[in-house]
Amino acid sequence: DQQVKQNSPSLSVQEGRISILNCDYTNSMFDYFLWYKKYPAEGPTFLISISSIKDKNEDGRFTVFLNKSAKHLSLHIVPSQPGDSAVYFCAATEGGTYKYIFGTGTRLKVLA
Amino acid sequence: DAGVIQSPRHEVTEMGQEVTLRCKPISGHDYLFWYRQTMMRGLELLIYFNNNVPIDDSGMPEDRFSAKMPNASFSTLKIQPSEPRDSAVYFCASSQGRNEQFFGPGTRLTVL
Repeated sequence: DQQVKQNSPSLSVQEGRISILNCDYTNSMFDYFLWYKKYPAEGPTFLISISSIKDKNEDGRFTVFLNKSAKHLSLHIVPSQPGDSAVYFCAATEGGTYKYIFGTGTRLKVLA
Repeated sequence: DAGVIQSPRHEVTEMGQEVTLRCKPISGHDYLFWYRQTMMRGLELLIYFNNNVPIDDSGMPEDRFSAKMPNASFSTLKIQPSEPRDSAVYFCASSQGRNEQFFGPGTRLTVL
C-alpha cells in the first residue's frame, strides 16, 4: 500500500506562473519530508525539505508547505521556468530511520 | 567530487541470466541505498547499508536479489536468475547520516 501518494501524474504550467505539486501521506509517524527533482537519464537530486515541527520552508523560488492535520504537503515554484520541467518526487521518513518512502512522481512541464 | 557512480548505465540481458549492478558511493558517506524505479510503483527502497553492514533488506523482492558491500567504496546488487519483470531503472544513493541522499545516474535494466 502506498504510504506516500502523488495523485497527479502530470502538470503543465505557463512560464512565469506558479506551479503547485501535491503529495499526501498516510503514516502519522513520518516526521521529515523531502522533494527531489529528476531529469531524464539522471538520478533524482535533492530540492528542499521540511521537518514536521515546521509548516513552511522556503529556498529561493521553491517553497514547501506542510499540513500535518491533513497529512498533506505541497511544493510551490514561483515563478516557474522552462528549466523546471522535470519529474518531482516527494518522500517521507520516520524519526530514527533512514528509509525514504517515495511517491510515484509528478511530471511538470513548464511551457515557454 | 564525482558523485555516486553506477555501472553499467544500461544492461540488456536474457531471462535466466545473472545480472550484477555496481555502485561507488561518495567518499565519506556512511549510508548506501539501492532503489528500483518502475512506472507503477515509483522509487522503491530495496536495501540499505550503514558502514558496509546491511541494515534493512525488507524491500528486496525475493531471494533472487542479493546485495553486498565489501568495503566503504563499493557495493553490488545481483539478480540471479533475472526475469522480465525485473526490468526497471536501479539507483544507488549515498548519504552522510540522515542528511539528504545523493543519487547516482541509475542503471536501466532490460530483461528479455
